[in-house]
Amino acid sequence: DAGITQSPRYKITETGRQVTLMCHQTWSHSYMFWYRQDLGHGLRLIYYSAAADITDKGEVPDGYVVSRSKTENFPLTLESATRSQTSVYFCASSERWDTQYFGPGTRLTVL
Amino acid sequence: SQQGEEDPQALSIQEGENATMNCSYKTSINNLQWYRQNSGRGLVHLILIRSNEREKHSGRLRVTLDTSKKSSSLLITASRAADTASYFCATGLDRGSTLGRLYFGRGTQLTVWP
Repeated sequence: DAGITQSPRYKITETGRQVTLMCHQTWSHSYMFWYRQDLGHGLRLIYYSAAADITDKGEVPDGYVVSRSKTENFPLTLESATRSQTSVYFCASSERWDTQYFGPGTRLTVL
Repeated sequence: SQQGEEDPQALSIQEGENATMNCSYKTSINNLQWYRQNSGRGLVHLILIRSNEREKHSGRLRVTLDTSKKSSSLLITASRAADTASYFCATGLDRGSTLGRLYFGRGTQLTVWP
């Protein structure tokens, strides 16, 4: 199906474990983004990418790693999960630097 | 912070009434966008207004932009229960190094009662 998908939709993990959240888009959009959404903070940008192999930090990048070897995929890895990384994570893509299209989100709980 | 700030944080109205939400921001922008988020879902783009535009319409939505006051408003006319959601403004800055990024506010929670 066309669009932007995220997997898994729900994930429970333990402190210290590595977790990878997947994001896939079928539009061949150049730009892709990872946000986290927490009560009281709205959406905060973690990392973004302007094209394959080009990534840059957002507001809250510490503890996260991204890669973009293919245009359509933009995985987000938590190298050693902490409780403070419990959140809802959204991936988004855009063709140009305007309208962003969001995935359905991944709800991550770190115990 | 360069993010937009929505006002009010929460708004509760009856079906058929109009809903107005405001957004203020701090720096020069290239565009301002409004998004809707239904509970448990991703954000959905509603409307984009560029810095050289003052007003834009889309169906029951009307957006205004006042760059001198660094503010925008979103008006939803004849609200329906299905409009119940959180509404976010997002600003795209007018700087080359940040092109592509959006800065989101914390949102306005709109509840429309039948």
